Amino acid sequence: GAGVSQSPSNKVTEKGKDVELRCDPISGHTALYWYRQRLGQGLEFLIYFQGNSAPDKSGLPSDRFSAERTGESVSTLTIQRTQQEDSAVYLCASSLAVANEQFFGPGTRLTVL
Amino acid sequence: QQQVKQSPQSLIVQKGGISIINCAYENTAFDYFPWYQQFPGKGPALLIAIRPDVSEKKEGRFTISFNKSAKQFSLHIMDSQPGDSATYFCAAILSGSARQLTFGSGTQLTVLP
Repeated sequence: GAGVSQSPSNKVTEKGKDVELRCDPISGHTALYWYRQRLGQGLEFLIYFQGNSAPDKSGLPSDRFSAERTGESVSTLTIQRTQQEDSAVYLCASSLAVANEQFFGPGTRLTVL
Repeated sequence: QQQVKQSPQSLIVQKGGISIINCAYENTAFDYFPWYQQFPGKGPALLIAIRPDVSEKKEGRFTISFNKSAKQFSLHIMDSQPGDSATYFCAAILSGSARQLTFGSGTQLTVLP
């Protein structure tokens, strides 16, 4: 089947605008993660969804960041009132419930002007 | 707080040579140590992984060496090829956690033809 897909692939926005990023995980993967990758740096964990359990939001950098997931399918990451420091590649990954291997999507490159 | 430290930041190797990337960690509660390979414009992909009860794991030209007492692990790429040119990330997963990845800062490997 298809891998993890993300949209849009690129997003340019103006400071102060809200953006919504989408992730479609691999079918059957109950775990879904969002990470942020700043230029030249490693990935930072943002949020984790597992089935119908409450999400682990411990990595969200501020209350401007939120995410939702409908059941075990699509997830959206929303950044409100974007700031220039939000510019990064946002990556989504999914995995089977108790598996260690995470499969990453290609990411959404967000540029805040 | 950077929990996984990775070096070098960049590495240039001749074709056929050995590429060595090192990582160190502090938290002894990590129980799984994967390496990811990332090509430009793509999400990271799992390359090889090891658990702390094993000192070495080899898959083809890729070997992880793990030193539990020193809290260090390294990736060796034997017979490096130009197609191996990519960014490599070490990572770690905390025992009992949501299995989110804690990444090193990455090593940009260039293999010269």
